[in-house]
Amino acid sequence: GENVEQHPSTLSVQEGDSAVIKCTYSDSASNYFPWYKQELGKRPQLIIDIRSNVGEKKDQRIAVTLNKTAKHFSLHITETQPEDSAVYFCAASLGGSQGNLIFGKGTKLSVKP
Amino acid sequence: DAGVIQSPRHEVTEMGQEVTLRCKPISGHDYLFWYRQTMMRGLELLIYFNNNVPIDDSGMPEDRFSAKMPNASFSTLKIQPSEPRDSAVYFCASSFQGGNTEAFFGQGTRLTVV
Repeated sequence: GENVEQHPSTLSVQEGDSAVIKCTYSDSASNYFPWYKQELGKRPQLIIDIRSNVGEKKDQRIAVTLNKTAKHFSLHITETQPEDSAVYFCAASLGGSQGNLIFGKGTKLSVKP
Repeated sequence: DAGVIQSPRHEVTEMGQEVTLRCKPISGHDYLFWYRQTMMRGLELLIYFNNNVPIDDSGMPEDRFSAKMPNASFSTLKIQPSEPRDSAVYFCASSFQGGNTEAFFGQGTRLTVV
């Protein structure tokens, strides 16, 4: 079945540095790739998403890139701040008429002041 | 809209007891998802509904788990009998048009089975 691999599982950076999280997926028919941020004790919330007809999308300090040929997509956070510390999940839609998302295992990002 | 509403926020129960988790999706959303989150397994999809109809329940771990959606504004996830390994955070999420759009998560129910 569909599988989403996410790396690394933990990431520690210094404030102001960049952070990159990478995901690969297996279903070539996937066409929607959201990223969720989950702060400690809270719900996952969407921070950015990208569709298969776009290679890159940016929103202020965060950006996502998608390589459909290689079936991988990445989250880039620049100028990291302590409030970026959280668990980040990537996800991929199942192809065809299926309605669900498959999530990666998550990356715990720690930004040290 | 107040978002996806789950109840209770916390539940502590004894092994063998029945547990019922509740979810009210965002009005107008036609997809509803139940997820379980643990440190070991991350976010696992248990079951999802489209227009109140269960579409895929392959993620439901055992027959002890069951889910219903009697109408567009309410869903339940029931565990009977509960076991300590069911301890986790259970999230309900809803979306419009399914896997190709944003899923909005509820606050989650933290279940502890002792």
